[in-house]
Amino acid sequence: AQSVAQPEDQVNVAEGNPLTVKCTYSVSGNPYLFWYVQYPNRGLQFLLKYITGDNLVKGSYGFEAEFNKSQTSFHLKKPSALVSDSALYFCAVRANQAGTALIFGKGTTLSVSS
Amino acid sequence: NAGVTQTPKFQVLKTGQSMTLQCAQDMNHEYMSWYRQDPGMGLRLIHYSVGAGITDQGEVPNGYNVSRSTTEDFPLRLLSAAPSQTSVYFCASSEPLRRSRHTEAFFGQGTRLTVV
Repeated sequence: AQSVAQPEDQVNVAEGNPLTVKCTYSVSGNPYLFWYVQYPNRGLQFLLKYITGDNLVKGSYGFEAEFNKSQTSFHLKKPSALVSDSALYFCAVRANQAGTALIFGKGTTLSVSS
Repeated sequence: NAGVTQTPKFQVLKTGQSMTLQCAQDMNHEYMSWYRQDPGMGLRLIHYSVGAGITDQGEVPNGYNVSRSTTEDFPLRLLSAAPSQTSVYFCASSEPLRRSRHTEAFFGQGTRLTVV
């Protein structure tokens, strides 16, 4: 069965410092991996995805993610955090080879202090 | 573009009542799905549909029904509401992998449901 793990409930960083939000996955077949962000009382916004190709994927708002097949990881990164990046981040994987739905991790709350 | 629209945004139900959460998308996506979000548990898949007339169960289907009579609409019905169904519900739509390079799902703004 497909699954996603986000090992940290919360990540705290100071503004201007680099940030990493961790994600590991377990899938059968090719992984289709996604990061979404949720601001308070809002829906989920797509950040970036890995389907195939380069292991470093660039997305919205300066975020990027590194796909590592040997470590089955897809960590979200940003070189310089902003206070406005504070939100709940979800890693997700397609639920099956047909891609009919998503399986989500439990989410990581990112808190960026000024 | 409206994208994915959910109604209502907020709802309070009494135990035992029934109701339907509405979801509509205007992107002509084949796939639609419903999730519930609970603190510390992420989003869990309730039901999904791969096209009009075709639905299937997800991880937590008990107490919920769905139908898909049109491509645009995918309502979620609570048959007899229970306090354990207090949650935030999200609807999403997406394209099949074979059809589109735009493989990400698009989400509605959510329905916050409280069952008392």
